[in-house]
Amino acid sequence: GQQVMQIPQYQHVQEGEDFTTYCNSSTTLSNIQWYKQRPGGHPVFLIQLVKSGEVKKQKRLTFQFGEAKKNSSLHITATQTTDVGTYFCAGEGAGSYQLTFGKGTKLSVIP
Amino acid sequence: GAGVSQSPSNKVTEKGKDVELRCDPISGHTALYWYRQSLGQGLEFLIYFQGNSAPDKSGLPSDRFSAERTGGSVSTLTIQRTQQEDSAVYLCASSFGRGPYEQYFGPGTRLTVT
Repeated sequence: GQQVMQIPQYQHVQEGEDFTTYCNSSTTLSNIQWYKQRPGGHPVFLIQLVKSGEVKKQKRLTFQFGEAKKNSSLHITATQTTDVGTYFCAGEGAGSYQLTFGKGTKLSVIP
Repeated sequence: GAGVSQSPSNKVTEKGKDVELRCDPISGHTALYWYRQSLGQGLEFLIYFQGNSAPDKSGLPSDRFSAERTGGSVSTLTIQRTQQEDSAVYLCASSFGRGPYEQYFGPGTRLTVT
């Protein structure tokens, strides 16, 4: 079945440093979504990428979808303490009913 | 309602007992999903509903787990003869429909089996 790998599992950064998490799928995806889960909270949708090579920005966050639609990345510029949480990618395979979530990258920001 | 709601928020049960977890999706959302999240882990897909039908039950970990959805709205996840390894947060999500729609998650039910 479809597998979605996400690295790194944990990342500790100083406030102001940049952060990147990477997501790789074993199969070609029709779309990929990113979610953020704050400590003690539930996942909250951030963005969806659909097109090959797509790049989307949300303020300090930049999301990319690979040309082959099998990988994606989330980059945060100049992290802030409000960025703390676990970031999950979730891929939908062609003809699939479900999103397959990666295991997430837990981001800690040291003030 | 304003968002997805789940009840109870916390449930402590003894090993061997049955539990029912409830999910109220956002009004008008035809797709409903159940996930399980163990401490510090990712989301494990359990089951998906489109309307009242469950085209994908592949994630249910054993025959002790079952789910139903009635009226295209409320869903109940039932775990029979609970085991300690069932302890986790059970998350429900709904979306506008099948396809590339974002999923809206509820706050989850934290299940502890003693």
